[in-house]
Amino acid sequence: EVRLVESGGGLVQPGGSLSLACAASGFTFSGYVMTWVRQAPGKGLEWVSGISGSGSFTYYVDYVKGRFTISRDNSKNTLYLQMKSLRAEDTALYYCAKDKFFGSGSPDGFDVWGQGTMVTVSS
Amino acid sequence: QSVLTQPPSVSAAPGQKVTISCSGSSSNIGNNYVSWYHHLPGTAPTLLIYDSNRRPSGIPDRFSGSKSGTSATLGITGLQSGDEANYYCGTWDNSLNVWVFGGGTKLTVL
Repeated sequence: EVRLVESGGGLVQPGGSLSLACAASGFTFSGYVMTWVRQAPGKGLEWVSGISGSGSFTYYVDYVKGRFTISRDNSKNTLYLQMKSLRAEDTALYYCAKDKFFGSGSPDGFDVWGQGTMVTVSS
Repeated sequence: QSVLTQPPSVSAAPGQKVTISCSGSSSNIGNNYVSWYHHLPGTAPTLLIYDSNRRPSGIPDRFSGSKSGTSATLGITGLQSGDEANYYCGTWDNSLNVWVFGGGTKLTVL
């Protein structure tokens, strides 16, 4: 069974840092682009960041550049998102998602999603 | 403001058909495939359509997708109460070099 399980969410003060992880199983992890998507309370889905299968290429939405870092450890089948300088507007449920196509270099669409991990930025 | 424009809401009676539009530009929909997602807040989204008009295995043929120029459309026939959800379109944007989602459309089955 293909599965993604996020962890690492929690309550953090503005300006603080947090690291999220996404444990993958049931597929050849290193062959797929992986992505983080978030949903703020009462808002729609928002793509945050993506990373190629090898980890050589990374992509970020403008307002997290310089603050968030996506990475992956293919030996551990795990995706990461390191977040720093967190703001109230980063409060959201963070999902990791697997790309639909094997061997793609950039996101093509997401066929498997985790259940999400909640990040709350508040004093 | 989302790069992709969807109507905030649509509604129709059980058994009827509904379409949800997704409007973009040449930097996104015009030159890339579109995917569509079903989402209930707090749960994992589900891929309904990929490559603009293909259904993953397990998605019933009541769901269809099409694309023309810089717009895409999701169609749902034989509406059921269980179809009530938020629906999102998404695609790659070649200018921004990011994935973009539409703002989402809330479907109500009357």
